[in-house]
Amino acid sequence: GQQLNQSPQSMFIQEGEDVSMNCTSSSIFNTWLWYKQDPGEGPVLLIALYKAGELTSNGRLTAQFGITRKDSFLNISASIPSDVGIYFCAGQSGFGNEKLTFGTGTRLTIIP
Amino acid sequence: GAVVSQHPSRVICKSGTSVKIECRSLDFQATTMFWYRQFPKQSLMLMATSNEGSKATYEQGVEKDKFLINHASLTLSTLTVTSAHPEDSSFYICSARKQEINYGYTFGSGTRLTVV
Repeated sequence: GQQLNQSPQSMFIQEGEDVSMNCTSSSIFNTWLWYKQDPGEGPVLLIALYKAGELTSNGRLTAQFGITRKDSFLNISASIPSDVGIYFCAGQSGFGNEKLTFGTGTRLTIIP
Repeated sequence: GAVVSQHPSRVICKSGTSVKIECRSLDFQATTMFWYRQFPKQSLMLMATSNEGSKATYEQGVEKDKFLINHASLTLSTLTVTSAHPEDSSFYICSARKQEINYGYTFGSGTRLTVV
C-alpha cells in the first residue's frame, strides 16, 4: 500500500537538543496524525491536525499541517530521555472511519 | 478517553496451528476496527478493516482465508491466523476510533506472534 515519506529516517541527538522531522506525500490528506511508538508497544497519539495550515502544540511538541495538505512536520523542543522511540506520521484522506496511511518512521536516539 | 486492549501480548505457536488475537475497545463502541502488521524496523501496514456485523475488507495481497477477522460486537474484533507458518511471525496491532469525528485512532499494545 501507499506510504508517506518521512525524514529523517533516524536521528542521534544529545539531551536538551531540539528535534524536527517531516512527512511528505504525493496525495492530499484531510487529517494528519503524529504517533510515537515504544519498543514492543502500539503507537500512541501525540498530535492530531485537521485543517490546512493548522499549528498545534502538546507540551514540548509542535506539529503543523502543511498548507498544500501534502505535508506535515513535528518539532520536539528540549529533548529528554523519554522522547526516545519511533515517530510515525499518518494521513487520512477523508472523514469518517477511513484507513490511515503511515509514514516510514523516524527513529530518535538520545546520545548520553 | 479511548482505550483499546489487545490480548495476548505475546504468543508462541507451532507451525500449522491457529492463533486468535483479540482487540477490545474498553470505554467506547467501535463500528470499525483496523488490523495492522509490523515487521522489525518497519512501518505499520494495514491488513484489513474490520466492520461490525459484516465482512472485513482486506488490503491487496492479504489472504482473507489465512487471516480470519470477526467483528461480532461493537467492542470486540478478533484476528485468527490460521495454519501459521514461521513467515507469519510478526507484530500485529489493532486500532479503533471513537465515533466522534475529531478523535484520533487509538491503538492496542500489540501482539508479538512467533511461529516455531
